[in-house]
Amino acid sequence: GAGVSQTPSNKVTEKGKYVELRCDPISGHTALYWYRQSLGQGPEFLIYFQGTGAADDSGLPNDRFFAVRPEGSVSTLKIQRTERGDSAVYLCASSLMRQSNEQFFGPGTRLTVL
Amino acid sequence: DAKTTQPTSMDCAEGRAANLPCNHSTISGNEYVYWYRQIHSQGPQYIIHGLKNNETNEMASLIITEDRKSSTLILPHATLRDTAVYYCIVRVETGANSKLTFGKGITLSVRP
Repeated sequence: GAGVSQTPSNKVTEKGKYVELRCDPISGHTALYWYRQSLGQGPEFLIYFQGTGAADDSGLPNDRFFAVRPEGSVSTLKIQRTERGDSAVYLCASSLMRQSNEQFFGPGTRLTVL
Repeated sequence: DAKTTQPTSMDCAEGRAANLPCNHSTISGNEYVYWYRQIHSQGPQYIIHGLKNNETNEMASLIITEDRKSSTLILPHATLRDTAVYYCIVRVETGANSKLTFGKGITLSVRP
């Protein structure tokens, strides 16, 4: 079956611009996660959705970052006034709502802020 | 979640077993040990997890010491496709899903 998909695969933008990154989770997965990964580092948690609501947004670095999941499926990560330090791979994962859950990751969106 | 410590890198010959160690000396009684791997330019992939008992699936085996302060992921017959960064993670399982806290992982290089 289809896995987690993310679009675009690559995004190049200029400092100060606004960007949106999209994640399509596996159908039926109620939990959705965003992580970001800088070069040479492991993924870093940003936000977790259970259904439509953000259950844990403790990883969002500041108020320039915002994410939504209005219908409990597709999610969009929004970054305002991008900075060069936002350059990273943004990963999305989804899972079923149960214990012993396995998170299924998408291929990521590589964001480059010039 | 408890912190884990892994070597930076290791290599092994194709066809041989790869034994990847992980220390988690501050693990709590309700924390599980998870392993994920990340092949270059892909998202992480779940491998296996366990609490106390050794576990085996089609990908790997997980050996957890009796005191649970360390574990070893075993790939019984490594192939070139197993070259990846392997992450050892400990986390509490709750009724609600919880985030994964990744370290830097161990880079496994499988040589022909």
